[in-house]
Amino acid sequence: GAGVSQTPSNKVTEKGKYVELRCDPISGHTALYWYRQSLGQGPEFLIYFQGTGAADDSGLPNDRFFAVRPEGSVSTLKIQRTERGDSAVYLCASSHASNEQFFGPGTRLTVL
Amino acid sequence: AQSVTQPDIHITVSEGASLELRCNYSYGATPYLFWYVQSPGQGLQLLLKYFSGDTLVQGIKGFEAEFKRSQSSFNLRKPSVHWSDAAEYFCAVGGNQFYFGTGTSLTVIP
Repeated sequence: GAGVSQTPSNKVTEKGKYVELRCDPISGHTALYWYRQSLGQGPEFLIYFQGTGAADDSGLPNDRFFAVRPEGSVSTLKIQRTERGDSAVYLCASSHASNEQFFGPGTRLTVL
Repeated sequence: AQSVTQPDIHITVSEGASLELRCNYSYGATPYLFWYVQSPGQGLQLLLKYFSGDTLVQGIKGFEAEFKRSQSSFNLRKPSVHWSDAAEYFCAVGGNQFYFGTGTSLTVIP
């Protein structure tokens, strides 16, 4: 079956702009996660959804970052007033009941 | 605090040699433990996982890992490395939220 998909695969934007990153989880997976991976680092947790609600958003670095999952499936990560330090690969993962997370290929965000 | 330490930033092995990648964790409860592999430009692929039971777990591509509670370790092993195993390897611990190590980059020499 289809895995987790993320769009776009690459996004280049200018400092101060707004961006949206999309994640399509595996069908039927109730949990969805966002991570950020900077160069040479492991993925860093941002936010976790169970269904439509954010069960844990403790990893969001500041209020410029926001994520939604209005219908309990697709999720969008939104970043306002982007900064150069936001440049990273943003990973999405989904899981069902097994605690095993399946990762998408990521969106590489570059802020110029 | 929950954390994962992968002490080896980079490892080089010859093809056919054995491999061990180290992982130590700090976690408040009984951990769920994972090893993922990431090739350049690719997403994270799960190699194996430990939830409970037998502390020696088998994964894909001939990898195995052993959970040692007394040492808070979950080291990844492979008896004979193939050139295609060259990649970045990440250990992770957690339940709903994963904590990842910084990764170990594996180079395989022909």
